[in-house]
Amino acid sequence: DAGVTQSPTHLIKTRGQQVTLRCSPKSGHDTVSWYQQALGQGPQFIFQYYEEEERQRGNFPDRFSGHQFPNYSSELNVNALLLGDSALYLCASSTRQAPPTDTQYFGPGTRLTVL
Amino acid sequence: GENVEQHPSTLSVQEGDSAVIKCTYSDSASNYFPWYKQELGKGPQLIIDIRSNVGEKKDQRIAVTLNKTAKHFSLHITETQPEDSAVYFCAASIARWRAGTALIFGKGTTLSVSS
Repeated sequence: DAGVTQSPTHLIKTRGQQVTLRCSPKSGHDTVSWYQQALGQGPQFIFQYYEEEERQRGNFPDRFSGHQFPNYSSELNVNALLLGDSALYLCASSTRQAPPTDTQYFGPGTRLTVL
Repeated sequence: GENVEQHPSTLSVQEGDSAVIKCTYSDSASNYFPWYKQELGKGPQLIIDIRSNVGEKKDQRIAVTLNKTAKHFSLHITETQPEDSAVYFCAASIARWRAGTALIFGKGTTLSVSS
């Protein structure tokens, strides 16, 4: 049973560019949440997708957007990159089909460096 | 806004000793409290969780206690081993009607177990 997978592992971009990160949830999971983890900090909630819609959003600007596909995989897009966007981006999957619906399992993350 | 405070930020113990990490949350509506272990270069791994209808939960050497009145919860690791060395994060749930569960994380505790 494959866990949560994310791609790419590492990414280097320059200020002003755009980036797309990808996530595939655990088998049987239908909900994907994205978190940003700055160095030395805890993860911060960006947003959550369920049934291909954004259901809940944290305190992040509109430069951060996402998408969920019919197979439950998800993308995180960040436009107009800033130096402060450098972080580990984590995807977490969960399910609403059966309890516990609040348990989230994390992927290995994508390390984004903005120069 | 919602907040989770975690203490201590660093903890050094000898192999075989016990380790305790404490967290305080602010949102009285929080009802789910997971603990994650994060090793260098990896995503957070769920190690134990507790819900608000339970005061204590144990899984082998790991236990978690919850005091909803005081909005405190703690992680207890007994008989520590060098492989327990990692960063530990506590989290509290934020649930919005029909929007699923998001997690608010503490800033983490770096646990070092020396042999």
